[in-house]
Amino acid sequence: QKEVEQDPGPLSVPEGAIVSLNCTYSNSAFQYFMWYRQYSRKGPELLMYTYSSGNKEDGRFTAQVDKSSKYISLFIRDSQPSDSATYLCAMSGFDGGTSYGKLTFGQGTILTVHP
Amino acid sequence: DAGVTQSPTHLIKTRGQQVTLRCSPKSGHDTVSWYQQALGQGPQFIFQYYEEEERQRGNFPDRFSGHQFPNYSSELNVNALLLGDSALYLCASSLDRGTAEAFFGQGTRLTVV
Repeated sequence: QKEVEQDPGPLSVPEGAIVSLNCTYSNSAFQYFMWYRQYSRKGPELLMYTYSSGNKEDGRFTAQVDKSSKYISLFIRDSQPSDSATYLCAMSGFDGGTSYGKLTFGQGTILTVHP
Repeated sequence: DAGVTQSPTHLIKTRGQQVTLRCSPKSGHDTVSWYQQALGQGPQFIFQYYEEEERQRGNFPDRFSGHQFPNYSSELNVNALLLGDSALYLCASSLDRGTAEAFFGQGTRLTVV
């Protein structure tokens, strides 16, 4: 079983739709949760960064973390064609004295927003 | 403020050769991590450097080695290249100060033929 599971999609939605992306994880040590957006043949771009459980909103993006269920979500409101990309969830935790720098990623979900 | 920069952008090598990839971290960042991303997969952690030392390592063979310089820039070396080493190699920089927030470069696409 992978530490982080993410449905690879692909997901196709019409412009203006609300998009929901999700990841589940198994490692209870994870405390930091991130969402990255990756355009084709580019490096990942950090979208949202949250610590522990709760919600965080930034413009059209909302990140939710439920540590009790080991489940995180990213919502995109009023989706635009420019949101078409691969979305990666990533997690990190302070693991028994080692640094929390190592990120564990999901497989990525391919999103297409069509006009 | 320059972000994370990597060089070269693309590289083609022959099986058995050696390769060196370079990374300059975001200004003010002191920690550099390297990741390998195969097509259609999420990035996989190779190792992390802090204060010129390898601090943490993922499940990669010794053919993968690295270095961090006093100015925090870093190199990734891969020896005895295999066809399976073909991937996008990503460098991420962060601050070693109570945060896991990491910023990535554009990557180096390595093709082994």
